[in-house]
Amino acid sequence: DTAVSQTPKYLVTQMGNDKSIKCEQNLGHDTMYWYKQDSKKFLKIMFSYNNKELIINETVPNRFSPKSPDKAHLNLHINSLELGDSAVYFCASSQGHPGLAGGFGEQYFGPGTRLTVT
Amino acid sequence: AQSVAQPEDQVNVAEGNPLTVKCTYSVSGNPYLFWYVQYPNRGLQFLLKYITGDNLVKGSYGFEAEFNKSQTSFHLKKPSALVSDSALYFCAVTPYSSASKIIFGSGTRLSIRP
Repeated sequence: DTAVSQTPKYLVTQMGNDKSIKCEQNLGHDTMYWYKQDSKKFLKIMFSYNNKELIINETVPNRFSPKSPDKAHLNLHINSLELGDSAVYFCASSQGHPGLAGGFGEQYFGPGTRLTVT
Repeated sequence: AQSVAQPEDQVNVAEGNPLTVKCTYSVSGNPYLFWYVQYPNRGLQFLLKYITGDNLVKGSYGFEAEFNKSQTSFHLKKPSALVSDSALYFCAVTPYSSASKIIFGSGTRLSIRP
C-alpha cells in the first residue's frame, strides 16, 4: 500500500496550458503539503492544508491553486503554465500541525510529479 | 534572515568508515530540526528530528545527529557507512517562533565507495 501517492508521475505540456496534479494519502494524517523541487534540488514549501483548511500559503504565483476536497486528498491546479514551472512537485503529509508545538513533525513524501513545460 | 546551510555539496566516504554530513542554521529563538534522505527518483524520507530534550538524536538506518546550540549546528552522523547510504541528504529547520515555516538546506550528496 502506497502511503502518499501522486498522479501523474510525469507531465509534459506546452506553455499556456492548464494542468492538475493529484495527491492522496492513506495514513490518516491531518495535514498535507505541496513542495516544489527545482533542477538544482532546492526544495521549497508552497502550500499546506490541515483538515481541508489552508494554513500555509507561501509566496507562490496565483496561477497555482491548491484544493483539498477532504483531508486525504490535496490537488494542485496550475493555470497558464510557464517554462519556469518546470520542476518536480512533491506532495507530503504529516500528523503534526505547522504552527503548533513540534511544528511539521515527521512528513511522508509522495514519489513526485516531474512537470516539464515546453 | 532565517536560513539553513549545508556547506558541502558532496561528501565521499569509504564503506565502513564513519560519516558526517554538516548542517548549520540561523533562526531566531529555538529551532526544530530535521534530516531527510532522498534516493534517486524518489520522494524524501524522514530520518530524525530534534524538538527538545537530549541533544543526541537517534534515527532510522543507524543515523544520529547532535544538536549543538552554541555552534547552531545539527550534523548528521553514522559510525559505519554502507554503500546503500549513498543518496541526497537534506537538513531542515522550523523556527520555534514561526512554527509554520520550514526551510530546507540545499542538500548534500553522500557517496559511499565500496
